[in-house]
Amino acid sequence: GQSLEQPSEVTAVEGAIVQINCTYQTSGFYGLSWYQQHDGGAPTFLSYNALDGLEETGRFSSFLSRSDSYGYLLLQELQMKDSASYFCAVRDRWGQNFVFGPGTRLSVLP
Amino acid sequence: DAGVIQSPRHEVTEMGQEVTLRCKPISGHNSLFWYRQTMMRGLELLIYFNNNVPIDDSGMPEDRFSAKMPNASFSTLKIQPSEPRDSAVYFCASSLMGRETQETQYFGPGTRLLVL
Repeated sequence: GQSLEQPSEVTAVEGAIVQINCTYQTSGFYGLSWYQQHDGGAPTFLSYNALDGLEETGRFSSFLSRSDSYGYLLLQELQMKDSASYFCAVRDRWGQNFVFGPGTRLSVLP
Repeated sequence: DAGVIQSPRHEVTEMGQEVTLRCKPISGHNSLFWYRQTMMRGLELLIYFNNNVPIDDSGMPEDRFSAKMPNASFSTLKIQPSEPRDSAVYFCASSLMGRETQETQYFGPGTRLLVL
C-alpha cells in the first residue's frame, strides 16, 4: 500500500517563504508531484520530481530525497493568491496506483 | 484547448436514483482518472483507464459504482442506486502517460453531487 503525510495547516505572511513537507511510504516509487487547489476549484499541477534534488519553477520549488522518502514544496515571496490547499501525490513505478496526500491548507496573511 | 470537460457541474438527486457523470478528456491524452473528494476522506482515486481500458478499479467503493470509457474522448461514472454518503465532488482528470513523460494530470472542474 501507499500512504502520504503532510501538515494539515500552515500560516504565513505576504512576502515570506514557506515549506510544505511530504513523507511517503510506498511499495514502489516513480515520482512525487505537487498540486494546488483553491477553494471550490480543481487541483492544478505545480511540479514533479522523479530524481533527487531541487526543481525550480518561478516562485515555487520542489525537492525530493528518495532515500528519505521525503519531499517538500517551497513557496517564496508569498502572495495572497497563494492561499490554497497543496497536495503531494505519488505514482508507483508500474503506474498502477495514484495516491494523494491529505493536503496542507496554506493561509497567507497580509 | 478546452481542457477536461465534465458534466453536469452540479447534481442534486434523491437517494435511490441513478446518477451519471460525464467526462471528455483532453484530446491526445491516453489516460483518464476518476477521483472523489470529500472533507473526511480527501482526494481518492476511484478508477484509472489507459488507452480506454480500465487498469485499476480498486478504489471503486462498491458494486453501485461503475465506469466506462467507450472511446478515447468520452467516459462515464455511474452510481446506481445513489446514497447520501455518495455526496462529494467527483473529478475527472486526464494525462499523457508514458515511460519518459512527466507525470501531469489535468483535472476537470468537477461535478458537485448532493444525494438527499
